[in-house]
Amino acid sequence: DIVMTQSPDSLAVSLGERATINCKSSQSVLYSSNNKDYLAWYQHKPGQPPKLLVHWASTRGSGVPDRFSGGGSGTDFTLTISSLQAEDVAVYYCQQYYGTPYTFGGGTKVEIK
Amino acid sequence: EVQVVESGGGSVQPGGSLRLSCAASGFTFNTYWMHWVRQAPGEGLVWVARIDGDGSTTTYADSVKGRFTISRDNAKNTVYLQMNSLRDEDTAVYYCVRRGGCCQDWFDPWGQGTLVTVSS
Repeated sequence: DIVMTQSPDSLAVSLGERATINCKSSQSVLYSSNNKDYLAWYQHKPGQPPKLLVHWASTRGSGVPDRFSGGGSGTDFTLTISSLQAEDVAVYYCQQYYGTPYTFGGGTKVEIK
Repeated sequence: EVQVVESGGGSVQPGGSLRLSCAASGFTFNTYWMHWVRQAPGEGLVWVARIDGDGSTTTYADSVKGRFTISRDNAKNTVYLQMNSLRDEDTAVYYCVRRGGCCQDWFDPWGQGTLVTVSS
């Protein structure tokens, strides 16, 4: 199984400041035949279902604000919130869909400082 | 609007059975793989099972293989998760999710989830 490791477990950021979340996979999720990274990011707010933010490591989902951006390739990925808003308080998860069993990172809780 | 809505959760004793349902709308159901993902209390997200568009191919996490069965009824736009021999560790919110892309398994959208509690 591909193990996804996120860091940090939690972070507190001031409103308007940048938040960066890291995700590392135990093996590459870059598929050489199409040069795509099989990596997604989700936002999970209390009392709501998770919401897709990014797929293919850097492609924003429909309606996702452009302050959210995904980066990285191979085994190391980041999700950046360029200017944290109050509504961004949530737990964020990365997920690999390179192969089954699909696996998620342990989550990173983002709070306001 | 693309939507999936779960039902069927509840409380059950260890060793018991439960069937979850997921009603889909707003998209051509029989062309999409569907999945179940669960989240135990205070824990992260765990993928459980998937089924292809015509129901001929299924895949399971090792933790549920042989106990859970995913199926679908394309005439009813509904996917099911039959859960047998339930254990305490199966206690979780179960989310029905659609494959997000045409051919790859990111998940979008997610249902609201249905809570399954296994306890004596």
